[in-house]
Amino acid sequence: AQKITQTQPGMFVQEKEAVTLDCTYDTSDQSYGLFWYKQPSSGEMIFLIYQGSYDEQNATEGRYSLNFQKARKSANLVISASQLGDSAMYFCAMSPLNAGNNRKLIWGLGTSLAVNP
Amino acid sequence: NAGVTQTPKFQVLKTGQSMTLQCAQDMNHEYMSWYRQDPGMGLRLIHYSVGAGITDQGEVPNGYNVSRSTTEDFPLRLLSAAPSQTSVYFCASSQSWGAPYEQYFGPGTRLTVT
Repeated sequence: AQKITQTQPGMFVQEKEAVTLDCTYDTSDQSYGLFWYKQPSSGEMIFLIYQGSYDEQNATEGRYSLNFQKARKSANLVISASQLGDSAMYFCAMSPLNAGNNRKLIWGLGTSLAVNP
Repeated sequence: NAGVTQTPKFQVLKTGQSMTLQCAQDMNHEYMSWYRQDPGMGLRLIHYSVGAGITDQGEVPNGYNVSRSTTEDFPLRLLSAAPSQTSVYFCASSQSWGAPYEQYFGPGTRLTVT
């Protein structure tokens, strides 16, 4: 069965430091994609970064990078130089490529990140 | 671009009442979906659509109906509200299904059923 596990319900980080949010996944698909979304306290869901299983390099988007280890089935989000505005819930999600009728996006339960000044 | 819009932002219903949550997108996206978000449960897919006239059930479809007569609009109907439907509802759209296409979310509707 496809599953996303985020083992850290809550994390704290000091402003300007880096933080890693963990995400492990389970899938039998050969080709798939992994997404990270941010949900601030205002409630909206914001797309951050994407990694394809076929990508040889780790994805980066500004201060966000994805530490993708395919053999370990992990796709950890790294936020560098944390800012107070990074305080939010972070969700990891996965979908298969060429999904056919299995049109689903599997979500983790999220990690709450608090950035301390 | 307004992106994905949802109305209303907040709603209180009594048990047994019906209502429609509105969702619209102006990005000409094929794929639209409805999720509910409950504490400790993450996001769960209710219904989705891969184009006008085509809808299908997600994980938790019971008690909800959808239709998609246009590319832009994807309303969610609660047929007879129950307290178990108290949740935050998100509508999302994407250019196409699945990776690598990210989903764009609306601001959400917070629904309380008493």
